[in-house]
Amino acid sequence: GQQLNQSPQSMFIQEGEDVSMNCTSSSIFNTWLWYKQDPGEGPVLLIALYKAGELTSNGRLTAQFGITRKDSFLNISASIPSDVGIYFCAGQTRSNTGKLIFGQGTTLQVKP
Amino acid sequence: EPEVTQTPSHQVTQMGQEVILRCVPISNHLYFYWYRQILGQKVEFLVSFYNNEISEKSEIFDDQFSVERPDGSNFTLKIRSTKLEDSAMYFCAGQRVNYGYTFGSGTRLTVV
Repeated sequence: GQQLNQSPQSMFIQEGEDVSMNCTSSSIFNTWLWYKQDPGEGPVLLIALYKAGELTSNGRLTAQFGITRKDSFLNISASIPSDVGIYFCAGQTRSNTGKLIFGQGTTLQVKP
Repeated sequence: EPEVTQTPSHQVTQMGQEVILRCVPISNHLYFYWYRQILGQKVEFLVSFYNNEISEKSEIFDDQFSVERPDGSNFTLKIRSTKLEDSAMYFCAGQRVNYGYTFGSGTRLTVV
């Protein structure tokens, strides 16, 4: 079945540093989404990408939809302690609806 | 901001018992989903539901599982005879076209 490979698995950084994580797939996706999950909570949508090559920002977050439609990255600039959590990429084969395939997650810890 | 509401937040059940997990999606959502997340693992798709019928289901969603939207607001997931390996967080999600998913905060199911 379709799989997303997300890396790194975990990161431990100093407050103020920039962070980058990415997802790759052997399959094409028409939508890429990035979610953050806090302990005991459901995933919360950070950024949605609908077009190959699209670069989208949401505050300190920037994400890109790879031109091949098989990869995406998420950057967080100037990290702060509340950025701590698990970040998941997710791909959707249909353009706007349908199941999501999730990556394994990147656990981010920020040292004040 | 409208939310997807899931109840109960935590359910403990004996192996072999039936459980019903409940979700109240946002009123203008048209597509509904159930996902599960085994502790420490990625989020996995179970089933999607549109226009009062299942539109797609995964291999995990076997005959022990069923979904219903009995009254146009509640969306339920039933597990007929729970197994130990059904222990997980179960997330309901809703979506309207051209928007990302909204996930509920989940039900933690513990089968003992």
